[in-house]
Amino acid sequence: AQKITQTQPGMFVQEKEAVTLDCTYDTSDPSYGLFWYKQPSSGEMIFLIYQGSYDQQNATEGRYSLNFQKARKSANLVISASQLGDSAMYFCAMRVEQAGTALIFGKGTTLSVSS
Amino acid sequence: GAVVSQHPSWVICKSGTSVKIECRSLDFQATTMFWYRQFPKQSLMLMATSNEGSKATYEQGVEKDKFLINHASLTLSTLTVTSAHPEDSSFYICAVQGQVDYEQYFGPGTRLTVT
Repeated sequence: AQKITQTQPGMFVQEKEAVTLDCTYDTSDPSYGLFWYKQPSSGEMIFLIYQGSYDQQNATEGRYSLNFQKARKSANLVISASQLGDSAMYFCAMRVEQAGTALIFGKGTTLSVSS
Repeated sequence: GAVVSQHPSWVICKSGTSVKIECRSLDFQATTMFWYRQFPKQSLMLMATSNEGSKATYEQGVEKDKFLINHASLTLSTLTVTSAHPEDSSFYICAVQGQVDYEQYFGPGTRLTVT
């Protein structure tokens, strides 16, 4: 069975500091994709970053990078230079090829950035 | 990416009535759309996958007679909550599958409150 685990219900960080949000996954399918989404209080899901299981390099998108450790089945999100606007809920998600294109989400981590 | 809208953004209805939620892909012809449900401070749970012109595929535990999904065109999918009850109160989010496997574009969500 496929599963995404986010063990940090909440994280606190100060502005300009870096923060790592943890995500581990479980699947036996060799072909899969890992995603991170941001959900502010307004509710919209904002796509942040994607990592394919066959990608050799860690994905980066601006201040976001994904620390992909395949052997450990982890896909942690690193946000550098946190900003107040980064305060939101963050979800790790997975798509497994054999299961179609729907996403399986983790329980999420609430990030609070303070000044 | 695709622009996805949902209507209404929020709705309050009385127990026993039916509510229809629309999901529109404004600039992209969506063969596949997804419906998710999210309870407060919880994760997104996939309810069903809808493919244009065919019956939706429901996830285990989701009552297809209660949550009617119609994907009659490449730009519109509807979710009808029939005979709504207070426990159906939730945040319903649709998503559109993009051209590339890892693309999935989310609507802004619909908050349903059943009194």
